[in-house]
Amino acid sequence: DVKVTQSSRYLVKRTGEKVFLECVQDMDHENMFWYRQDPGLGLRLIYFSYDVKMKEKGDIPEGYSVSREKKERFSLILESASTNQTSMYLCASSYSAGTDFYEQYFGPGTRLTVT
Amino acid sequence: AQSVTQLDSHVSVSEGTPVLLRCNYSSSYSPSLFWYVQHPNKGLQLLLKYTSAATLVKGINGFEAEFKKSETSFHLTKPSAHMSDAAEYFCVVSDLSGNTGKLIFGQGTTLQVKP
Repeated sequence: DVKVTQSSRYLVKRTGEKVFLECVQDMDHENMFWYRQDPGLGLRLIYFSYDVKMKEKGDIPEGYSVSREKKERFSLILESASTNQTSMYLCASSYSAGTDFYEQYFGPGTRLTVT
Repeated sequence: AQSVTQLDSHVSVSEGTPVLLRCNYSSSYSPSLFWYVQHPNKGLQLLLKYTSAATLVKGINGFEAEFKKSETSFHLTKPSAHMSDAAEYFCVVSDLSGNTGKLIFGQGTTLQVKP
């Protein structure tokens, strides 16, 4: 069965702290994605990666960075957390084959609160 | 550029009555289209996908969607709503501007099912 796991379901951090959100997939997918989800704004893409050590900015990369050292793991880093980064963070992965587009598989999400 | 518009932010139906969630898309290419469902405090789950095969697509839990190119629509339907269908639903189109596997999400429709 397909599985994407995220390191924490709920996280509370203080302003200015460095925050790591981890995502692991067991499907050998090439592509991995980080989104944030806020009421009324839907899902917004922060960063994505289509290969190990490769990363691309999404629509809202400011204040975030990512790391992909292994194919199965994609980390989202908040260098200095701020209250406007309080949100639900969702990780996803997908297969890639030429120009075919495959569905993304999502993790359960991490609800981050920055106080 | 691709985009997707969900025409209703909130839909309320009675248990046992039909469900219709409306979605229009904009794409210069032949798109791949998806519907995802998100139950409270959970990640997103794929309901169904259209990838240029049959225009009527059947998904899980009795849902189906019809791709209508002339109307640029991909509405989600179910003949009889169940209480467990209460969730948020996202219409999604593949981003064909680059071969990156990116998806573009609608704003979401919250489905309420009344007993």
